[in-house]
Amino acid sequence: RKEVEQDPGPFNVPEGATVAFNCTYSNSASQSFFWYRQDCRKEPKLLMSVYSSGNEDGRFTAQLNRASQYISLLIRDSKLSDSATYLCVGAGGGADGLTFGKGTHLIIQP
Amino acid sequence: SQTIHQWPATLVQPVGSPLSLECTVEGTSNPNLYWYRQAAGRGLQLLFYSVGIGQISSEVPQNLSASRPQDRQFILSSKKLLLSDSGFYLCAWSPVWSSPLHFGNGTRLTVT
Repeated sequence: RKEVEQDPGPFNVPEGATVAFNCTYSNSASQSFFWYRQDCRKEPKLLMSVYSSGNEDGRFTAQLNRASQYISLLIRDSKLSDSATYLCVGAGGGADGLTFGKGTHLIIQP
Repeated sequence: SQTIHQWPATLVQPVGSPLSLECTVEGTSNPNLYWYRQAAGRGLQLLFYSVGIGQISSEVPQNLSASRPQDRQFILSSKKLLLSDSGFYLCAWSPVWSSPLHFGNGTRLTVT
C-alpha cells in the first residue's frame, strides 16, 4: 500500500522564524514529489516540485532523501501569509500513482 | 495557458436527490482528469480518474459515477445522494503521469 505520512500539526511558529516539516513515503518507486499549499476552504495549489536532490524557490526549500524515504519543506523568514496546510504528494508513475498526505497545518503568529 | 473550470462553487442538496458536477479544461489536449473528495478535516480521496474520452477508472466503491463525454470535460454524478456524500469535491488535471495536478476551485457539497 502506497502511503505518504505527515505530522498533522498544528505547528505554531512566530513570524520571522524558520520552520521545517517532513513527509515520509512508503513507495520506493516514487519518482517525483510535490508540495502543495491549501488555504482554508480552498483548493490545493502547487507550491514546489521536488525532483532530484531538491529545489529552492525564494524562502522555500524542499529536500529529498531517497535513502530514508522522506522529503522536507523549509520555510525561512516566515510570514503571516504562510499560514496554511501543506500537502505532500508522491508520484509513482501511473495515473493513480499520485498519493497525497493528509497535510501539515502551519500557523504563523504575529 | 491552461485553465480549469469547475461548477457550481457551492451546492446544498437533500438526501436522495441527484447530483451533477461539471469540470472543463481549456488550453490543452488529452489531459488526465481526476475527481477528488475532501471530507471536513481529512485528506484528499481519489474518486475517479480518466486517461481519455469514455475511459473512467474508479478508486472506491460508492454511489457516485463519472463520465468523460468530451476530451476536456469531466462530470461527476450521483442518482441518489447520501448524507456521507457531503464534502469538498475537487476536479484536477495533469498533462502526463507523475506530473503535478492542477485543481479547480472546488465544489462544496452539503447533503441535508
